[in-house]
Amino acid sequence: DTAVSQTPKYLVTQMGNDKSIKCEQNLGHDTMYWYKQDSKKFLKIMFSYNNKELIINETVPNRFSPKSPDKAHLNLHINSLELGDSAVYFCASSSGQFDGYTFGSGTRLTVV
Amino acid sequence: DAKTTQPPSMDCAEGRAANLPCNHSTISGNEYVYWYRQIHSQGPQYIIHGLKNNETNEMASLIITEDRKSSTLILPHATLRDTAVYYCIVRVDFGNEKLTFGTGTRLTIIP
Repeated sequence: DTAVSQTPKYLVTQMGNDKSIKCEQNLGHDTMYWYKQDSKKFLKIMFSYNNKELIINETVPNRFSPKSPDKAHLNLHINSLELGDSAVYFCASSSGQFDGYTFGSGTRLTVV
Repeated sequence: DAKTTQPPSMDCAEGRAANLPCNHSTISGNEYVYWYRQIHSQGPQYIIHGLKNNETNEMASLIITEDRKSSTLILPHATLRDTAVYYCIVRVDFGNEKLTFGTGTRLTIIP
């Protein structure tokens, strides 16, 4: 009964490739997010979607394109991967109420 | 969002209460104090939040000073599984405001 699930858990790929990370939540939340945690462990928001509509885009390179087919899914597609994209990417969801966010377990992306 | 200041690291003996401080001297009247933790390699986990009254749940207690410029997260009986990075975050709580994480406090529970 995973609340926020991400796939894959690990992803190793070469520079220049295109890859996608999928996220699904079964909590009925309206809002989903993508966060990036770099090697220094800083967690930074990348995107936020509310009911399939983009509401936050934190000046992320346009090689990163989120897609939300429905409010339970928020996928992250990355084009032309670079070494600096290596990080752990976390998906999260929230109801917008006073109950905090629920995070997935993360996808560790390694670009070689 | 207002910024927070936390000590970079703390140790606590297993079974004792762990008290994690947070300063948020520029907090606004409509901003809540949230605490999250991140256990190694896992996603951040929500712990507790409050506005101005002390709060308690099954995981922890949150004590907010009367002037709201600082707060303390209390884990009453720390276990080894509480070893994690703890983040204190202040944010307005309407709509879907983003969470902005700082550097947090790395809490190590000592057996």
